[in-house]
Amino acid sequence: ETGVTQTPRHLVMGMTNKKSLKCEQHLGHNAMYWYKQSAKKPLELMFVYNFKEQTENNSVPSRFSPECPNSSHLFLHLHTLQPEDSALYLCASSQGVPAEAFFGQGTRLTVV
Amino acid sequence: AQSVTQLGSHVSVSEGALVLLRCNYSSSVPPYLFWYVQYPNQGLQLLLKYTTGATLVKGINGFEAEFKKSETSFHLTKPSAHMSDAAEYFCAVSDTGGFKTIFGAGTRLFVKA
Repeated sequence: ETGVTQTPRHLVMGMTNKKSLKCEQHLGHNAMYWYKQSAKKPLELMFVYNFKEQTENNSVPSRFSPECPNSSHLFLHLHTLQPEDSALYLCASSQGVPAEAFFGQGTRLTVV
Repeated sequence: AQSVTQLGSHVSVSEGALVLLRCNYSSSVPPYLFWYVQYPNQGLQLLLKYTTGATLVKGINGFEAEFKKSETSFHLTKPSAHMSDAAEYFCAVSDTGGFKTIFGAGTRLFVKA
């Protein structure tokens, strides 16, 4: 496989559930990102990791917990989410500066 | 702080007509500028980017954009629209130092037969 792969593509979860989103990149990039895309709102940067270290946390609620075990894998652990957290969650990776981002296809999350 | 404004959340053109999608940015340092396209149920794909040098940048699928510093603009154009161009387009800016890219709200392009 090449590029950025996200699993699952679709996820429905209750507000008391715990689930995780997975992202894997096969591009040899050193930086990885989580973005939230909600209807009629700009793309929101959530977290940035560079060489496995978190460099950006954009005031994201603690019910979202990222994990980056290595430069190729990024997870987003979810617990006690709210219905307004329903959105498309996009993972991206980049190498160097400028940070031209390569995106995965996203996980469509619905919180019920 | 950096920001991006895309004028018009929806743009509709006829097939074969000129496509013009507007983007204005705000940045206190020389910016890197990008246009991305998103097709339904897909992630974003890079169309083109401006870093330094030539201000007219050519991208994939016949798109191009011109960096105008005096107008703080980076409008996207294509001389002749094709049905396959129907998608959402995002303008983005990042600074020269880091990994933080700020996206505009997006413009959905409709192409009429």
